[in-house]
Amino acid sequence: SQQGEEDPQALSIQEGENATMNCSYKTSINNLQWYRQNSGRGLVHLILIRSNEREKHSGRLRVTLDTSKKSSSLLITASRAADTASYFCATDAGNNNDMRFGAGTRLTVKP
Amino acid sequence: DAMVIQNPRYQVTQFGKPVTLSCSQTLNHNVMYWYQQKSSQAPKLLFHYYDKDFNNEADTPDNFQSRRPNTSFCFLDIRSPGLGDAAMYLCATGGFTNEKLFFGSGTQLSVL
Repeated sequence: SQQGEEDPQALSIQEGENATMNCSYKTSINNLQWYRQNSGRGLVHLILIRSNEREKHSGRLRVTLDTSKKSSSLLITASRAADTASYFCATDAGNNNDMRFGAGTRLTVKP
Repeated sequence: DAMVIQNPRYQVTQFGKPVTLSCSQTLNHNVMYWYQQKSSQAPKLLFHYYDKDFNNEADTPDNFQSRRPNTSFCFLDIRSPGLGDAAMYLCATGGFTNEKLFFGSGTQLSVL
């Protein structure tokens, strides 16, 4: 079963704009991760935020985590056409090493 | 330098004909995962191995089996593929702390 939901399901923006994607989850977590997937390919790890962290940055990526609301957001600043992909959040719900993915947001960045 | 390798990239099988997908890794990771991903959906966890310990998801059909003969290799066996099993199958590995998964490029399975 999946861990949570993401919104929006699809997002279309112009190059240079910021993109914000949200993820909600259902159970307590140790950490939350964001992954990117180009069409027809495997997923690539972007960033991890631990349950005791509230915000994290990596280049043009900014992730926030609100454990009281069981939600996270991924912000991509100054988007580029090459950012076009699907973005998924993933959580480990306990000590069983099982990593579950949210429904994903399909981002299209128009040049 | 591929670290998680899945073969084949595309697999076509017939309805009911057993098929095996393979995954190998050069990362020496403890954990190996198999995910099923259908078009425009999230990867769905089928099962994972922590070393030799097999962890099956409750909703994974019995039709799906897995083998991990050693640290480097993991196989997904579909005993009697149905049309609904057509999907991308993704293999991933992770270390003990589970802080980053490494994915293969996937095997796109078609069932005719």
